[in-house]
Amino acid sequence: QQPVQSPQAVILREGEDAVINCSSSKALYSVHWYRQKHGEAPVFLMILLKGGEQKGHDKISASFNEKKQQSSLYLTASQLSYSGTYFCGTISSGSARQLTFGSGTQLTVLP
Amino acid sequence: NAGVTQTPKFQVLKTGQSMTLQCAQDMNHNSMYWYRQDPGMGLRLIYYSASEGTTDKGEVPNGYNVSRLNKREFSLRLESAAPSQTSVYFCASRSAGTGPVEQYFGPGTRLTVT
Repeated sequence: QQPVQSPQAVILREGEDAVINCSSSKALYSVHWYRQKHGEAPVFLMILLKGGEQKGHDKISASFNEKKQQSSLYLTASQLSYSGTYFCGTISSGSARQLTFGSGTQLTVLP
Repeated sequence: NAGVTQTPKFQVLKTGQSMTLQCAQDMNHNSMYWYRQDPGMGLRLIYYSASEGTTDKGEVPNGYNVSRLNKREFSLRLESAAPSQTSVYFCASRSAGTGPVEQYFGPGTRLTVT
């Protein structure tokens, strides 16, 4: 069962902040965040593991609430280059470690 | 270091034709994956290979077959293409093991079946 992302779309002005949420009905081992620009492949942003370990780009921050099986991606002081579709992917505890992706959040940053 | 490469980039098929999508990675990753992405949708897993010599079905395997030729290469075959298989296909790879291991995607193959 795929994770649920919210909102489906968001429009910002440069410099504004945004939060994208991802929730799952299953117990999670990890949450992965990717950004995809139109016509391109998804690009890795961040991984958060159960237990607190995480890895990602310096300018991206995210949280993982293990009790609620939810993750949030925080985009602060947005730039035009942040525009794209953001996907969360989840790996469930006890699964064969394949990622299941949400349907995406389309972020548009306007000048 | 090319990362994950896919061929071809674009393909148009007629209904009933067959074709093989090729994928290769040079990062010595154990696990490889094939996804499809339909317009406005997320990525859905077709097949994956956790290690050389093994393959398993994902969420949407019907109409596809795969071959893990060696550690580097993982191909996806459409035996008899249908319009419902019009999509963008992404190959991905990831290292094995626990810990924060990211997945790398290839540039995609845009397939149209008429």
